[in-house]
Amino acid sequence: AQSVAQPEDQVNVAEGNPLTVKCTYSVSGNPYLFWYVQYPNRGLQFLLKYITGDNLVKGSYGFEAEFNKSQTSFHLKKPSALVSDSALYFCAVSALSGGYNKLIFGAGTRLAVHP
Amino acid sequence: KAGVTQTPRYLIKTRGQQVTLSCSPISGHRSVSWYQQTPGQGLQFLFEYFSETQRNKGNFPGRFSGRQFSNSRSEMNVSTLELGDSALYLCASSRGTSGSSDTQYFGPGTRLTVL
Repeated sequence: AQSVAQPEDQVNVAEGNPLTVKCTYSVSGNPYLFWYVQYPNRGLQFLLKYITGDNLVKGSYGFEAEFNKSQTSFHLKKPSALVSDSALYFCAVSALSGGYNKLIFGAGTRLAVHP
Repeated sequence: KAGVTQTPRYLIKTRGQQVTLSCSPISGHRSVSWYQQTPGQGLQFLFEYFSETQRNKGNFPGRFSGRQFSNSRSEMNVSTLELGDSALYLCASSRGTSGSSDTQYFGPGTRLTVL
């Protein structure tokens, strides 16, 4: 069965410092991996996805993610954090069995960027 | 291009009642998926529709049902509401033609409270 783990409930970082939000996955076959962000009382906003090819994926708002097959990880990164980046971040894997368009989400990581 | 819209944004119901939530996808998108988000269970997949057909279903009881219309708009219905059905219900749309690599775009959600 496919699964996603986000080992940190919360990540705290100072504004201007680099940030990393961790994600590991367990899938059979090649994974399709996604990052979404959720602001209070809002739906999920798509940040980026990995399908194939270059292991470094660039996304919206200056975010990027590094796919590492040997470590089964897909960590989200940003070189310089902003206070406005404070939100709930979800990693997800797209199910490769059982049909289309079924995303399996991690539990989420709350990012707090302090001024 | 307008995003995914969901109505209503907030609902308060009592146990035993039924509720219908509506979702209008991005223009041109033919796939609509529904997710339930709760603090305890996180984000869980309910079902996905494509061209008026349910293509995929999560592990929810039969009280949860949905349908899709010819214009791709979708509704989900929950009958005999229980307290545990209180959640944020998110709808997501995608083109539906790229298999598991499709990007899903989420609406703002409907916050359902069951008293």
